[in-house]
Amino acid sequence: DAGVIQSPRHEVTEMGQEVTLRCKPISGHDYLFWYRQTMMRGLELLIYFNNNVPIDDSGMPEDRFSAKMPNASFSTLKIQPSEPRDSAVYFCASSSPIRYEQYFGPGTRLTVT
Amino acid sequence: AQSVTQLDSQVPVFEEAPVELRCNYSSSVSVYLFWYVQYPNQGLQLLLKYLSGSTLVKGINGFEAEFNKSQTSFHLRKPSVHISDTAEYFCAVSELGNEKLTFGTGTRLTIIP
Repeated sequence: DAGVIQSPRHEVTEMGQEVTLRCKPISGHDYLFWYRQTMMRGLELLIYFNNNVPIDDSGMPEDRFSAKMPNASFSTLKIQPSEPRDSAVYFCASSSPIRYEQYFGPGTRLTVT
Repeated sequence: AQSVTQLDSQVPVFEEAPVELRCNYSSSVSVYLFWYVQYPNQGLQLLLKYLSGSTLVKGINGFEAEFNKSQTSFHLRKPSVHISDTAEYFCAVSELGNEKLTFGTGTRLTIIP
């Protein structure tokens, strides 16, 4: 199994630009989570999906952030427009029900200048 | 809502010495408990989990944790650490039947040769 796949691994962009982060969950997993990790705020859950449907987006910081899951094998997290305070490592994780084990991707390190 | 407190942000330990990383949680309902490990520049990996049954849980890499309901704690232990255990360790909690995790702020374990 390839594990959770995230792309790109690193993204450097200028303030005001649109950023799209991508995630491919483990096949057969029907939960998908987006997290953000910073030194100041630690690991924060942004949003999670079950069977492609958003269940809880209370962690999404503001309207500049949006997430979609058009099918069971793909999800995107979009920031438009990006700001320097969005600089962080963004993780995607997936899990199957009952087992309560989240598998994390390697993360995307986003730098907004 | 639940919360997790990791009392130590950094723990230095000599190689082959025992270690305990402390975790306390707060919740008004029954919970599941987890420990995750994050090696440098990687995503998080599940070390062990408590869902029910025996309060002593064994995980990967020789780690174990004990659930203490009366003290609302879930401390992580290893009898003899190795250089390769250098990483950040996160305690997490979820409500019974809920896939959503709340993470602690993490404990950075440094092994001294």
